[in-house]
Amino acid sequence: GQNIDQPTEMTATEGAIVQINCTYQTSGFNGLFWYQQHAGEAPTFLSYNVLDGLEEKGRFSSFLSRSKGYSYLLLKELQMKDSASYLCAVRDSNYQLIWGAGTKLIIKP
Amino acid sequence: IAGITQAPTSQILAAGRRMTLRCTQDMRHNAMYWYRQDLGLGLRLIHYSNTAGTTGKGEVPDGYSVSRANTDDFPLTLASAVPSQTSVYFCASSDSGGGAADTQYFGPGTRLTVL
Repeated sequence: GQNIDQPTEMTATEGAIVQINCTYQTSGFNGLFWYQQHAGEAPTFLSYNVLDGLEEKGRFSSFLSRSKGYSYLLLKELQMKDSASYLCAVRDSNYQLIWGAGTKLIIKP
Repeated sequence: IAGITQAPTSQILAAGRRMTLRCTQDMRHNAMYWYRQDLGLGLRLIHYSNTAGTTGKGEVPDGYSVSRANTDDFPLTLASAVPSQTSVYFCASSDSGGGAADTQYFGPGTRLTVL
């Protein structure tokens, strides 16, 4: 079966750096997405990786290793507004998105 | 530009009743999707449409139906609601161009409770 694994919850301090990991086992691979979802709101797109390596976008970076079935989202200079759930999703061989359950990130002052 | 709108925002429904959740996008995206989100689970695809006039079944289609008469609208119907359909429902759309261009954009969601 297809599976996306992420930690359920993480806690970090304002101003610090946090890394959220995602491992996947899917039938085929056509890209990996990270979304942010604040409580009670819709998911919003953060990043997309299809080739191995690091994609940097401001305070957020996303890394992919296709051979290891592994990605991480790196958030730098954490702000209170970064408190949210972070969703990892993989596009499979049928071009459908398979979603992880999300990682709830709690930022403490 | 509104993006994607969904209606209603929330609804409490008696079991056995019929309900249609509405979704409209103004981005002229080809593809549209319906997901449900339950606590502790990832988003699960219910139905999708790659282009107007076509629809397909996702991971959890039972008890739901969709139609895609035009590019903008993609309603989801629960023919006879059951309590297990209590969930938050998200509609999404994408340009369906493949690669980075095929990012899905989400509506604000409908919170449905079936009693």
